[in-house]
Amino acid sequence: GNSVTQMEGPVTLSEEAFLTINCTYTATGYPSLFWYVQYPGEGLQLLLKATKADDKGSNKGFEATYRKETTSFHLEKGSVQVSDSAVYFCALSDQADSWGKLQFGAGTQVVVTP
Amino acid sequence: NAGVTQTPKFQVLKTGQSMTLQCAQDMNHNSMYWYRQDPGMGLRLIYYSASEGTTDKGEVPNGYNVSRLNKREFSLRLESAAPSQTSVYFCASSEPALEQFFGPGTRLTVL
Repeated sequence: GNSVTQMEGPVTLSEEAFLTINCTYTATGYPSLFWYVQYPGEGLQLLLKATKADDKGSNKGFEATYRKETTSFHLEKGSVQVSDSAVYFCALSDQADSWGKLQFGAGTQVVVTP
Repeated sequence: NAGVTQTPKFQVLKTGQSMTLQCAQDMNHNSMYWYRQDPGMGLRLIYYSASEGTTDKGEVPNGYNVSRLNKREFSLRLESAAPSQTSVYFCASSEPALEQFFGPGTRLTVL
């Protein structure tokens, strides 16, 4: 079956540091890939997505590239802010599943200190 | 627009008690979902409703029932709560295969 593995947290960074969160996936078909973010006390919201190999998703300074050869979708940001402190979830949706059910990774907590 | 709303925000139950978690969306989405979030396990799908009038089991359906009351509302029922159902529950909605929008969650504790 499909699965998503992401690096364990918490990841603690200083403001303006470079952030990378690793995400790898296993899928039988050709999945769409997503990063969701959960701020403290809130629900999840979509951060970015990519629907095919070599696509790059980007939003709010975050980027991730769909790498089919390494089955990866790593999240990066060049200069983090305190407001980026949150839990980040990598997820996939099997495009053969027309109802778009999501398979989530365990989540990575990011803590940015001033 | 309110988006996806959930009630209640917090609930404490005793083992064996029943309750219903309510979810409503105002985005006219066809698909709705219930997830549970547990530490270190991400979100796991409990049930989903691809369209009004249909419901299907997800990854962890045991101990739960759902009702798609109409296009807007999708409720989750625990008939006899167990401590293993202590979790944070999220409702989401979407058009099929597109971005899912999440509610703020219900934090449930079963003693």
